[in-house]
Amino acid sequence: AQKVTQAQTEISVVEKEDVTLDCVYETRDTTYYLFWYKQPPSGELVFLIRRNSFDEQNEISGRYSWNFQKSTSSFNFTITASQVVDSAVYFCALSGPNRDDKIIFGKGTRLHILP
Amino acid sequence: EAEVAQSPRYKITEKSQAVAFWCDPISGHATLYWYRQILGQGPELLVQFQDESVVDDSQLPKDRFSAERLKGVDSTLKIQPAELGDSAMYLCASSSSVGLAGTNEQFFGPGTRLTVL
Repeated sequence: AQKVTQAQTEISVVEKEDVTLDCVYETRDTTYYLFWYKQPPSGELVFLIRRNSFDEQNEISGRYSWNFQKSTSSFNFTITASQVVDSAVYFCALSGPNRDDKIIFGKGTRLHILP
Repeated sequence: EAEVAQSPRYKITEKSQAVAFWCDPISGHATLYWYRQILGQGPELLVQFQDESVVDDSQLPKDRFSAERLKGVDSTLKIQPAELGDSAMYLCASSSSVGLAGTNEQFFGPGTRLTVL
């Protein structure tokens, strides 16, 4: 069975601080995909990143970076120099190897960036 | 930029009434998904269409929920009768079936927030 655990329900940091959102996953597939989505107060889910299970290279995109560690089944997300606009709920998600496999979402981490 | 459209954005209804939500996926996207997101939870898949065919509806409460995508383009999700526990955000997403295998990037609409009184 597939499962995604985001142990941090809610995090508050002061603007400009760095913050890391944790994600631990479970799957029996040898090939799988991991995702992060952002859900701002407006409600829509915004795609941030997709990572293939065979690619363990860390990725950096501006102030965002992702640390994928297969050995610990973790896919953590770090925001550097946080900004108020980063305030949102962030979801980690997992899908199987096939193009149309459904996505299993974690419960999300609500991030508050305080001015 | 192409977007997934959903309407209405908000719906308030009374228990036992019927409600319907509409979704128009990105043009050319063959796969359409309906998710339900209960407050404080992540989205959960209700039903998945490939063109006009249902691929997965294992989590759809079929006694009261129905979904259709008659022409393989837009889709309607219906609840009849609505119950208090149906209050949630209903999200529609679409993805393309062409391109690299396993890319599976789903594009989400703004959602319909349902409140059942």
